[in-house]
Amino acid sequence: DQQVKQNSPSLSVQEGRISILNCDYTNSMFDYFLWYKKYPAEGPTFLISISSIKDKNEDGRFTVFLNKSAKHLSLHIVPSQPGDSAVYFCAASVGTSGTYKYIFGTGTRLKVLA
Amino acid sequence: DADVTQTPRNRITKTGKRIMLECSQTKGHDRMYWYRQDPGLGLQLIYYSFDVKDINKGEISDGYSVSRQAQAKFSLSLESAIPNQTALYFCATSDRAGGSINEQFFGPGTRLTVL
Repeated sequence: DQQVKQNSPSLSVQEGRISILNCDYTNSMFDYFLWYKKYPAEGPTFLISISSIKDKNEDGRFTVFLNKSAKHLSLHIVPSQPGDSAVYFCAASVGTSGTYKYIFGTGTRLKVLA
Repeated sequence: DADVTQTPRNRITKTGKRIMLECSQTKGHDRMYWYRQDPGLGLQLIYYSFDVKDINKGEISDGYSVSRQAQAKFSLSLESAIPNQTALYFCATSDRAGGSINEQFFGPGTRLTVL
């Protein structure tokens, strides 16, 4: 059973516009959420995160929103740039007695068109 | 120099062969992880280790084994490779949890093909 879901496998956005990537989860015990970006032939790299005690975290062009009641988070990229073209994974952290590990979603491939 | 390295980067092997994937890190992290990525399935956790004496199974450990030879080294073995183990394998590290979000740092991946 997929506990973290990214229902859009791909997304195309015009350069300069907003990109919105969505992620849904089923386990209400998740307490940290992270977004990773992955370029071809490279490992994923950390992008931004949010704790379950917050509903928004912003870092430059990237903002993550968390709606706990809906078990939904989203990543907004404004303005989108061609270099943002990559696969984006959301991940949820299960923290029990300090034993943290991630559950990853299936990824969304973002293509930013110049 | 890369903080998390994986060897080999690409490997083609035959069904039934034993194969080992190696991961080394210079970040000084206690925690290391092995994931596999299949198309459309994201990253799935195979094994993780929170220190040299601590090894834990992940979501999909069947058919795999691991060895944590030192704080900096964590290897993944396929004792008898089968075609459905064809995938992209990632090693990752993270620092000890301290009540805050622990970013994981990933290696570049090993592409394994089992014929």
